[in-house]
Amino acid sequence: QKEVEQNSGPLSVPEGAIASLNCTYSDRVSQSFFWYRQYSGKSPELIMSIYSNGDKEDGRFTAQLNKASQYVSLLIRDSQPSDSATYLCAVRDTGRRALTFGSGTRLQVQP
Amino acid sequence: DVKVTQSSRYLVKRTGEKVFLECVQDMDHENMFWYRQDPGLGLRLIYFSYDVKMKEKGDIPEGYSVSREKKERFSLILESASTNQTSMYLCAINARGAYEQYFGPGTRLTVT
Repeated sequence: QKEVEQNSGPLSVPEGAIASLNCTYSDRVSQSFFWYRQYSGKSPELIMSIYSNGDKEDGRFTAQLNKASQYVSLLIRDSQPSDSATYLCAVRDTGRRALTFGSGTRLQVQP
Repeated sequence: DVKVTQSSRYLVKRTGEKVFLECVQDMDHENMFWYRQDPGLGLRLIYFSYDVKMKEKGDIPEGYSVSREKKERFSLILESASTNQTSMYLCAINARGAYEQYFGPGTRLTVT
């Protein structure tokens, strides 16, 4: 069974700080990587996708991918209380249409 | 905007009942997925469909079946509901050749 691992948290950061969320995956041939945000009682919402090694920035969000280390991370700059949610890492493997999800990291941004 | 709707937000059923969960999309996307989400276990794939009348089992298909008679509609069927099927059920879609998945609002099913 392919695995995607995340620390469940909660990760607590003060407002305005950088939140760093990490994810490791077990399958070396994984191709595509995604970060979803999920508020309590709601469905996951796609916030970032990344396909090649390096950094990808979108507003306050930066996704980082290191395929050699099988590691993907999400940085949230200038964290706001509205960023408080569970962040899910998802991976797509070659030849598989569906995504494999981690169990998520709960982020708490303290005002 | 991607639009995925699910038939109910909350549903309460009794053990042994046949339960239908419906997902409808307005994006003309080929791929549709059913996941369940449980605390500490993340999202787990039940079934997916890549075209009308085409389906494949996911990681936990036992106790479930699916139907896709029209491209926009993908139904998840619990043949005989059991208490261990109490969960949040999420439908997702993506277009052929694309990898980003978009989710519906979810159905929280309770089986008593």
